[in-house]
Amino acid sequence: DQQVKQNSPSLSVQEGRISILNCDYTNSMFDYFLWYKKYPAEGPTFLISISSIKDKNEDGRFTVFLNKSAKHLSLHIVPSQPGDSAVYFCAAYFGNEKLTFGTGTRLTIIP
Amino acid sequence: KAGVTQTPRYLIKTRGQQVTLSCSPISGHRSVSWYQQTPGQGLQFLFEYFSETQRNKGNFPGRFSGRQFSNSRSEMNVSTLELGDSALYLCASRDTQNEKLFFGSGTQLSVL
Repeated sequence: DQQVKQNSPSLSVQEGRISILNCDYTNSMFDYFLWYKKYPAEGPTFLISISSIKDKNEDGRFTVFLNKSAKHLSLHIVPSQPGDSAVYFCAAYFGNEKLTFGTGTRLTIIP
Repeated sequence: KAGVTQTPRYLIKTRGQQVTLSCSPISGHRSVSWYQQTPGQGLQFLFEYFSETQRNKGNFPGRFSGRQFSNSRSEMNVSTLELGDSALYLCASRDTQNEKLFFGSGTQLSVL
């Protein structure tokens, strides 16, 4: 039962352009969403988060959008840089429940 | 503050053996979670401990167990290792006042 889904396993974007990573969820109880970035052989590092009471959160080049009615969130990276090449995981939870991760999207920035 | 520390960094075992992985959370964090990462499977939740009590548990067989000590340090044990247990095992801690999880660098386990 995959409650958090990232349907694109990989994405390639030209340097300087916008990268858009998508995530869908099924559990309407989720009220907090996060994006993590992961390099090979390292632990994920926190990128940005959003509470269900908001529909947008911005931090520098990173913006997360939440559409609760569609149970969809997206991460926008503008402009994309070579150092952004990594695997991105979206995650969600509610209350004291476990943090549930998607399967990840490998982003490759083409110089 | 020091980050989440996991030891050992790499481990090679053979089928049937058992293994114990260790995790020291960020100072002051009382919640420790364990995740398994395999290619194509994302991060699969194993269990979470809070104040020495298991609070949540994922869908893994009983061969996977864990515990947490009074100083919040945690250990994870896998008995009767199988080839499919080869994975990156990640530990994460969180400040219960803040929803973010902070991850360690993981232990890469290879079962031969």
